[in-house]
Amino acid sequence: KNQVEQSPQSLIILEGKNCTLQCNYTVSPFSNLRWYKQDTGRGPVSLTIMTFSENTKSNGRYTATLDADTKQSSLHITASQLSDSASYICVVSDRGSTLGRLYFGRGTQLTVWP
Amino acid sequence: EADIYQTPRYLVIGTGKKITLECSQTMGHDKMYWYQQDPGMELHLIHYSYGVNSTEKGDLSSESTVSRIRTEHFPLTLESARPSHTSQYLCASSELGEGEGRKSYEQYFGPGTRLTVT
Repeated sequence: KNQVEQSPQSLIILEGKNCTLQCNYTVSPFSNLRWYKQDTGRGPVSLTIMTFSENTKSNGRYTATLDADTKQSSLHITASQLSDSASYICVVSDRGSTLGRLYFGRGTQLTVWP
Repeated sequence: EADIYQTPRYLVIGTGKKITLECSQTMGHDKMYWYQQDPGMELHLIHYSYGVNSTEKGDLSSESTVSRIRTEHFPLTLESARPSHTSQYLCASSELGEGEGRKSYEQYFGPGTRLTVT
């Protein structure tokens, strides 16, 4: 069964600290993995997209890694800011259909305290 | 910032009413999607469209219907709202489909409609 599991479910850190969010998936055949940021009451916004051949990609203070062999990804946030408080969603796309099915994790709810 | 819009942003309505959630995008994208999301849960695809006059049901069974008469417009309709329809509805669009041999393209999401049926 194609699944995307994220951990931790929620995380609280102090402003300025770093944190790492985890994503494990069983989606096959794999096409790409995305990390989205979703603010409360808003739609998700893309942070990074990685294909099979990419094992790291950065977007400002966000750095995503991908290990396609172990089917794991992480999102590292450096020098956290209050505006980083949001849900971070891991999404994996398969290559098994013309739709390019997306499998969504439940997200990690990050709260940054001053 | 993606050019995809949803109205209304919030809707509280009584059981049995007919409602239409609007979604429009100005990016000329062929593919459009509707997702349903409950608090703390993952997004579930309920409808999608490859282009004008194309509509397909997604993975999550839904009593809603959709139409795609114009490229930029993808409204979702509930003929008779029930409390079980209370949820957040997210619309998205992308430039090209993804699949074997194709380059993947980003899905852009609208801000969502929070629907509450009393």
